Amino acid sequence: GNSVTQMEGPVTLSEEAFLTINCTYTATGYPSLFWYVQYPGEGLQLLLKATKADDKGSNKGFEATYRKETTSFHLEKGSVQVSDSAVYFCALRGGQNFVFGPGTRLSVLP
Amino acid sequence: DAGVTQSPTHLIKTRGQQVTLRCSPKSGHDTVSWYQQALGQGPQFIFQYYEEEERQRGNFPDRFSGHQFPNYSSELNVNALLLGDSALYLCASSLGGWSRGNYGYTFGSGTRLTVV
Repeated sequence: GNSVTQMEGPVTLSEEAFLTINCTYTATGYPSLFWYVQYPGEGLQLLLKATKADDKGSNKGFEATYRKETTSFHLEKGSVQVSDSAVYFCALRGGQNFVFGPGTRLSVLP
Repeated sequence: DAGVTQSPTHLIKTRGQQVTLRCSPKSGHDTVSWYQQALGQGPQFIFQYYEEEERQRGNFPDRFSGHQFPNYSSELNVNALLLGDSALYLCASSLGGWSRGNYGYTFGSGTRLTVV
C-alpha cells in the first residue's frame, strides 16, 4: 500500500538558518504530493503541492520538488523565521484520500 | 466565506460511552472525509461521505460510523469508547466525491476527544 516516511524530529534551528525536511514515499501509480503545516492547537493548512514528476511546489518561501526517480519530496526553506515553528506533514494522494507521514516538529529559536 | 466548521472543539468522555462529532463543510463542497490524528502521529483516514453514503473506508472498526445529511453536513459516531480513541478528529470537505476528484480538499481545525 501507499506510505510516507519523514525525517524524525524535533528539528531545532536558529532564525535565518536553512531548513530541509526529508520526505520519501511508496506508492503505486503517480500520486500527487503535498506538504501540510499544523500550528499548535489548529488543524492542517496546505503549504504546497506538486501533481507530477519534476513539478516544484512553492509557497511562503518554502519549496519542494517532486522527484520520481528517488521517490522524494523534500521540503526546503532558505531562511526560517520564529513564526515557522510548527509540525510539518508530508502526504500523498494516490487514490482519492490522503496518506500522511508522521510529521516533523520544527522549532525556530530567535 | 466560512471554511470547514467542526464542533465541539474539545470534549471528554468516559471509556465505554458513545460520542458524536459534527462537521459542516466549506460552502460549495458536497463531500466530507474524516481523519483520526493520535498524539504525535499523522492523520489517518477513517471514511468519506458523498451523496449521503459512505463511499470509502479506512482501516477502522465498525465502532466508527457516520452520517451525511442532505445539507452535506456530517457526523462521526464512535461507540464503546476506548482509551486509544483519544485523538484529534479532523474533518475535511471537498467537491465531487471519489468519482469526480475530490476538488478543493480543505481541513477543519478538529475536535479534540479525550477518553478517560
